[in-house]
Amino acid sequence: EVQLVESGGGLVQPGGSLRLSCAASGFTFSSYWMHWVRQAPGKGLVWVSRINSDGSSTSYADSVKGRFTISRDNAKNTLYLQMNSLRAEDTAVYYCARETRITIFGVVIGNYFDYWGQGTLVTVSS
Amino acid sequence: DIQMTQSPSSLSASVGDRVTITCQASQDISNYLNWYQQKPGKAPKLLIYDASNLETGVPSRFSGSGSGTDFTFTISSLQPEDIATYYCQQYDNLHMYTFGQGTKLEIK
Repeated sequence: EVQLVESGGGLVQPGGSLRLSCAASGFTFSSYWMHWVRQAPGKGLVWVSRINSDGSSTSYADSVKGRFTISRDNAKNTLYLQMNSLRAEDTAVYYCARETRITIFGVVIGNYFDYWGQGTLVTVSS
Repeated sequence: DIQMTQSPSSLSASVGDRVTITCQASQDISNYLNWYQQKPGKAPKLLIYDASNLETGVPSRFSGSGSGTDFTFTISSLQPEDIATYYCQQYDNLHMYTFGQGTKLEIK
């Protein structure tokens, strides 16, 4: 059974740092791209960041670029999100999600987030 | 960046009704469009991928269609357990991902 379990959330002051973790099990973690998606209280889903299967390529939403760093440890089956210079607007539930990609002859013809964690709440407040 | 415009933002319907939600992309995204269901306090759940493919285990009353810039998500006969917020999501070739604003579905 595929499982994604986030941890590391909590209360942090503006300007502070936090590192989120996402422990994966039930699948070959090193074969999948992984993502972080967040949801502010009462608001919609916002994509934050993604990392490819071996960790060599990453991308970020403009709102977190330069402040957040996504990484992974395939030996530990764990995804991370290092969050620095936190702002009140970063307050949200943070979900990790697995991306499944459909390829034909190396060309991606589709992809989607097929498994999600339960989320971890980050609150940025003084 | 590609923008996704989802409508309506909220919808009230009766059990048994046909429900339709639309999502429009600001540029051609081929069929790189997925639909998710999120119930309060829960993680999102994938329903439809690549515009029209039903995820395994998802009831057949859910369907999706469209390509290019205009996409539609349909529930053919609304059930009480379908009360949730629904999101479209796109992927572009710059490895960027965008969700629509969400549609909150309520029972009338």
